[in-house]
Amino acid sequence: DAKTTQPPSMDCAEGRAANLPCNHSTISGNEYVYWYRQIHSQGPQYIIHGLKNNETNEMASLIITEDRKSSTLILPHATLRDTAVYYCIVFNDYKLSFGAGTTVTVRA
Amino acid sequence: GAVVSQHPSWVICKSGTSVKIECRSLDFQATTMFWYRQFPKQSLMLMATSNEGSKATYEQGVEKDKFLINHASLTLSTLTVTSAHPEDSSFYICSARDPVPTQFFGPGTRLTVL
Repeated sequence: DAKTTQPPSMDCAEGRAANLPCNHSTISGNEYVYWYRQIHSQGPQYIIHGLKNNETNEMASLIITEDRKSSTLILPHATLRDTAVYYCIVFNDYKLSFGAGTTVTVRA
Repeated sequence: GAVVSQHPSWVICKSGTSVKIECRSLDFQATTMFWYRQFPKQSLMLMATSNEGSKATYEQGVEKDKFLINHASLTLSTLTVTSAHPEDSSFYICSARDPVPTQFFGPGTRLTVL
């Protein structure tokens, strides 16, 4: 399984963009990058996924480097409700394996 | 996004009893569902993969006779914790995979065994 590396924690200011990095240097050509987040005591919430191209939806943008060895999730205008653990996952064999993720704290 | 429900959201039971947790995909059919367990301050751990109409596939170290999984329809999977003990107390989360495939998660079930 391709593994991912994320910083354990990061703070960001309310109203500012939050840029969450993820390294996945062993990703295979047909593996997708998925992002989920988990707010305390809730099930994970799907955010976005991508293969090669950058992707954007109503929640976030996903920037994948050309060599696909890393990606960045961008929350354009962070709010207090975005405080959560964010997981970057390389999708392999139809099973999502969760690492430790990045604990993001949005501060007023 | 697609909606996955779980019932109950929390349950307290006595040691030795069995507890059933239901997972439903509300607006799509899911041939594959997954069950995870999460202990406090830890990440999610995959327990088993449930395929409609066939036996579940359990991850290494998960006792299949203790955690019974049934996926009888394209919208329903159940997890039964048999003869529950305090060490089984945890947050159990299911997910369902849509055709994309993207996994959507339920809200979780908090199990406390006294």
